[in-house]
Amino acid sequence: GGIITQTPKFLIGQEGQKLTLKCQQNFNHDTMYWYRQDSGKGLRLIYYSITENDLQKGDLSEGYDASREKKSSFSLTVTSAQKNEMAVFLCASSIDRGRAEQFFGPGTRLTVL
Amino acid sequence: SQLAEENLWALSVHEGESVTVNCSYKTSITALQWYRQKSGEGPAQLILIRSNEREKRNGRLRATLDTSSQSSSLSITATRCEDTAVYFCATVPSSGSWQLIFGSGTQLTVMP
Repeated sequence: GGIITQTPKFLIGQEGQKLTLKCQQNFNHDTMYWYRQDSGKGLRLIYYSITENDLQKGDLSEGYDASREKKSSFSLTVTSAQKNEMAVFLCASSIDRGRAEQFFGPGTRLTVL
Repeated sequence: SQLAEENLWALSVHEGESVTVNCSYKTSITALQWYRQKSGEGPAQLILIRSNEREKRNGRLRATLDTSSQSSSLSITATRCEDTAVYFCATVPSSGSWQLIFGSGTQLTVMP
């Protein structure tokens, strides 16, 4: 088995601040994802990466940057935090994209004051 | 509008009872996955059912898929308190983007 770790678990920022969330996986999976989860809504894809140094935009990429410098890690940057924003950011990985099962980390909960 | 959605926001049952969560979707799909998310955790896949399958089982879980009505159900028998979680369906579209489309989830509470 493997595990996905996300840091930090909780992130509190100020409006306009640039914030970085990190994700590590030891499944040796090629594909990694970042999702945003808002209360009462489904997961929405922000970015994904099919291999080291690859980046693909999801439906919600505006306002975010991502980086995949190693196969095992995928980071997400909120380029300018929005006041009163609250959401959980979930990182996931899978063997490949498409039908493959996605394995999720526990999430980073973001609060912007 | 949602491309995939569970039909109820929340359900509650008593331990030992059976429960069914329903999902409807709006696109042609190659597969549908059911995920469970416990409080403070990320989602975990329960069952993957392909478009040419009508039913799939995994222990106390049974998923059905009806591509003609574009709907799926997840049934849990002999529920336990630890089944308390949000249950999501996620569809894999058969054309265009490969992205998983998640529903907004149904909160299931199993009471002692």
